[in-house]
Amino acid sequence: GAGVSQSPRYKVAKRGQDVALRCDPISGHVSLFWYQQALGQGPEFLTYFQNEAQLDKSGLPSDRFFAERPEGSVSTLKIQRTQQEDSAVYLCASSLGYSADTQYFGPGTRLTVL
Amino acid sequence: GDSVTQMEGPVTLSEEAFLTINCTYTATGYPSLFWYVQYPGEGLQLLLKATKADDKGSNKGFEATYRKETTSFHLEKGSVQVSDSAVYFCALSDRIAQFYFGTGTSLTVIP
Repeated sequence: GAGVSQSPRYKVAKRGQDVALRCDPISGHVSLFWYQQALGQGPEFLTYFQNEAQLDKSGLPSDRFFAERPEGSVSTLKIQRTQQEDSAVYLCASSLGYSADTQYFGPGTRLTVL
Repeated sequence: GDSVTQMEGPVTLSEEAFLTINCTYTATGYPSLFWYVQYPGEGLQLLLKATKADDKGSNKGFEATYRKETTSFHLEKGSVQVSDSAVYFCALSDRIAQFYFGTGTSLTVIP
């Protein structure tokens, strides 16, 4: 069956531009997670949705980062006024239940800010 | 706060060699522990997990035992194959949604 998909796979932005990254979770999965993975590092938690409710956004690094999941399915991570330090791979994961114990990852979006 | 420290790489082994990748953790509660693998060009995949002390997770010949006394979850495989070449991440989850990953260990297996 279809896994988690993310688009675009690669994004190049000029500093100061706004970007929107899309995640399509596995159909029927309740929980959705966003992570940021800098080069040579492990993924770092950004935010968590349970259906359409954003229950934890403690990992968002600044108020330039915003995530939504309005219908409890597709999610969008938006970064306003991008900075060079935002360059990273952004990973989305979903899980069937209410915990992250069995989460399935998408391939990621590699964002490069010039 | 919660964190995971794993052995730095890269690690290069010959086929059929024994593999150990060390992982230790710090947690305030009773976390679940995980190993994820990322093959070249692919997304992260769960390799194995253990949810309580003394549990052993195993998959594809890999094993790891949750050791509370040493706060460790070392990954082992008795005989690696070229197809095991990947980046391995240790991780813990102490709450419903919070995952903490190590920095990853790159493994290359040469024929």
